[in-house]
Amino acid sequence: EAGVAQSPRYKIIEKRQSVAFWCNPISGHATLYWYQQILGQGPKLLIQFQNNGVVDDSQLPKDRFSAERLKGVDSTLKIQPAKLEDSAVYLCASSRRGDGYTFGSGTRLTVV
Amino acid sequence: GNSVTQMEGPVTLSEEAFLTINCTYTATGYPSLFWYVQYPGEGLQLLLKATKADDKGSNKGFEATYRKETTSFHLEKGSVQVSDSAVYFCALRIQGAQKLVFGQGTRLTINP
Repeated sequence: EAGVAQSPRYKIIEKRQSVAFWCNPISGHATLYWYQQILGQGPKLLIQFQNNGVVDDSQLPKDRFSAERLKGVDSTLKIQPAKLEDSAVYLCASSRRGDGYTFGSGTRLTVV
Repeated sequence: GNSVTQMEGPVTLSEEAFLTINCTYTATGYPSLFWYVQYPGEGLQLLLKATKADDKGSNKGFEATYRKETTSFHLEKGSVQVSDSAVYFCALRIQGAQKLVFGQGTRLTINP
């Protein structure tokens, strides 16, 4: 089966600019996750979707981050405006019922 | 709260050496425990898991045993190879939840 697709692979932006990341999960996976992985740290969950509904967004900085999964399939994560501390790898993952996570390769964001 | 602590890295070993990467956790209830591996330029991959106390997860020569009494899940391998060079993450998932809580990761380098 095809894996979790993410784009772009790399992005460099200036602070205060906006950026968007895209994720296409594995077909049939109802649960989709966005994780933030800052250099030297483990991934941290930003938001979890079940189909097109939000299950957990408790650690999403909602003043600047937003995410949607309108049709219960692919998802976008947006940052507006970006700050230097948002530099990280943004990982998308999907699962069928919480088990068997599959991660994408991630988008590496550098904010300068 | 729920958290995972891994031994400080980086770890550098010679080929065929014995490997231990320590992992301890704090959690409410009875979590499932995981080890993920991240090879350079790739996404996180599940290495092994254990879902209850005294379970042993194993894969590719790696093993880890779920020790409830010491709240630990140490990763071991008897003879490492250069191809094992990667970053290793210990993680937990609380019973009834789907999100993963990760440790900070341990970078492993194996020299020939």
